[in-house]
Amino acid sequence: GNSVTQMEGPVTLSEEAFLTINCTYTATGYPSLFWYVQYPGEGLQLLLKATKADDKGSNKGFEATYRKETTSFHLEKGSVQVSDSAVYFCALSVNNNDMRFGAGTRLTVKP
Amino acid sequence: DTGVSQDPRHKITKRGQNVTFRCDPISEHNRLYWYRQTLGQGPEFLTYFQNEAQLEKSRLLSDRFSAERPKGSFSTLEIQRTEQGDSAMYLCATKGQARNEQFFGPGTRLTVL
Repeated sequence: GNSVTQMEGPVTLSEEAFLTINCTYTATGYPSLFWYVQYPGEGLQLLLKATKADDKGSNKGFEATYRKETTSFHLEKGSVQVSDSAVYFCALSVNNNDMRFGAGTRLTVKP
Repeated sequence: DTGVSQDPRHKITKRGQNVTFRCDPISEHNRLYWYRQTLGQGPEFLTYFQNEAQLEKSRLLSDRFSAERPKGSFSTLEIQRTEQGDSAMYLCATKGQARNEQFFGPGTRLTVL
C-alpha cells in the first residue's frame, strides 16, 4: 500500500542551524509528495510540494527534492528561525486521491 | 486561514452520545475529505466526496460513523454512540480540480468522557 515514514522527533535546534527532516515513501504508481506544517494552535498548511521525480519544491526557505531512486522527499532549510517551530508532516497522494501522512516531526528552535 | 471552516472547534461529550460536525469548503472545490488525527500521529483518511457522491470510505470508518454532503457544498460527519476511543481531532480538507494539494480546516477536537 501507500505509506510515508518520516524521521521521529522531537528535533531541537538553535536559531540559524541547518535543518533536515527525513521522509521516505512507499507507493504504487506515481505519487505527488507534500510537506505540510502545523503551527501551534493552527490547522495544517501546505509548505511545499513536488509532483514528479527530480522536482524540487521550495517555500519560505524550505526545500525538498523528489528522489525516485531513493523514494525520498527530505525537507531542508539552511538557517532555521524561532518562528519555524512547528510540527512538520510529510505526505503523499496517488492519482489525486486521499493523502497518506507520516506521523509528524516536532521542531523546536531556540534563540 | 485556508478558507475551509469547521464547526464546532471543540466538542466534549459523554460516552454513548451522538455528535455531528460540520465542514464548509472553499466554494469552488469539488472534493471534500475527512481525516482523524490522534495525539502524536499524522492525519488518517476516513472518507471523501466528489461533489455530493461519497466515493471512498476507509476501514477506520465504522458503522457508527456517517458522512454526508447533500448538495455538494458543506459536509457533516456524525458519530453515533460515541466511545472514548473516538476522542481525536477531526479534520476536513478540500481540493479543487486545478491543483492537487488539499486545503485543511482548523479541525474539531472531540473529547469523549
